[in-house]
Amino acid sequence: GAGVSQSPSNKVTEKGKDVELRCDPISGHTALYWYRQSLGQGLEFLIYFQGNSAPDKSGLPSDRFSAERTGGSVSTLTIQRTQQEDSAVYLCASSSSGYEQFFGPGTRLTVL
Amino acid sequence: RKEVEQDPGPFNVPEGATVAFNCTYSNSASQSFFWYRQDCRKEPKLLMSVYSSGNEDGRFTAQLNRASQYISLLIRDSKLSDSATYLCVVNDNQGGKLIFGQGTELSVKP
Repeated sequence: GAGVSQSPSNKVTEKGKDVELRCDPISGHTALYWYRQSLGQGLEFLIYFQGNSAPDKSGLPSDRFSAERTGGSVSTLTIQRTQQEDSAVYLCASSSSGYEQFFGPGTRLTVL
Repeated sequence: RKEVEQDPGPFNVPEGATVAFNCTYSNSASQSFFWYRQDCRKEPKLLMSVYSSGNEDGRFTAQLNRASQYISLLIRDSKLSDSATYLCVVNDNQGGKLIFGQGTELSVKP
């Protein structure tokens, strides 16, 4: 079956522009997670969805970051007024049990 | 103090060697523990879960010591294909976020 998919795979943008990243979880997975991995940094948690609600958004680094999930499926992560420090790989994961999380291939964001 | 700490390595070992990775975590209430593997420029993939009783999957053995808040991974008879970054991962509550260590890089040489 299909795994977690993310789009775009690569995104280059100019400082100050808004970007939208998309995640399609594994069909039937109710939990969806966003993480990011910066060069030389570990993976850091951003936000978690259970269905369409976000019980934990503690990892969002600033109010420039927002995410939504609709229909209990697709999620979008939006970064407004991008800064160079936003450059990272943004990873999405989904889970049916809340135990094992399956990761997508990530979106590599470069802010010039 | 980081929530999950690992030796970043790199560990450079010859084929056939046995290598051990260690990890400590700070939250004594943590509930679930994992080792993930991440290949260069790829997403992390679950290698194995870690239980207090210890668990083995082929050449891989994982161990959890709750009293010491310590997790280990042992790889026996290492293969070239084992070269990757190994991530120690903790989940503080079922269903919630994963907390990752920085990862330990392993390079297995012929």
